[in-house]
Amino acid sequence: QLQLQESGPGLVKPSEALSLTCTVSGGSTSSRSYCWGWIRQPPGKGLEWIGCIYYRGGTYYDPSLKSRVTISVDTSNNQFSLKLSSVTAADTAVYFCARWVGGYENLDYWGQGTLVTVSS
Amino acid sequence: QSVLTQPPSVSAAPGQQVTISCSGSSSNIGNNYVSWYQQLPGTAPKLLIYENNKRPSGIPDRFSGSKSGTSATLGITGLQTGDEADYYCGTWDDSLSAGVFGGGTKLTVL
Repeated sequence: QLQLQESGPGLVKPSEALSLTCTVSGGSTSSRSYCWGWIRQPPGKGLEWIGCIYYRGGTYYDPSLKSRVTISVDTSNNQFSLKLSSVTAADTAVYFCARWVGGYENLDYWGQGTLVTVSS
Repeated sequence: QSVLTQPPSVSAAPGQQVTISCSGSSSNIGNNYVSWYQQLPGTAPKLLIYENNKRPSGIPDRFSGSKSGTSATLGITGLQTGDEADYYCGTWDDSLSAGVFGGGTKLTVL
């Protein structure tokens, strides 16, 4: 059974960078068919798709975040990461990592999520 | 403002049925598969329907999905109190080259 687990700081200062890592177990980030992704959910609001990465490096980002987002994959450690620069309070959210099934347009496995608060 | 449009809330009595709509455009729903997610309070979303109308293993057949043109619908029959959750539709948008979600629908089982 595939499992995903987010990790990273729960508090980030405004203007700094948010960095999170997702560790994958029970499966491989080298799988060709899957795009390893990040989704966030601001408190009391809906889901927001951030972006995803294929193991060969192809990336897709939400246009509204594209200038601040970098997603990378480390197949040797079976992890992928999110970096969001120049954060503001509007970036406060629960961040989920998930597996996107390319070509079939669904997220079949999700991590439990981690709350990141942007505050000084 | 979400790319896909869902009603903010729906409600029905236990045992009854409900439908949740998801409206998009030719660049997303009209040209791609639709998936649906159930998010129980305080938990991560769970895949409920994929490829418009397929159910993952373990999802009861009380849940169904359909798609027509640029709209999709989630149906739930035999409502149970445990179905109270937020429901989201999702797909890919060819113009944005990104995944997109609906704003979510809160289901209340009265």
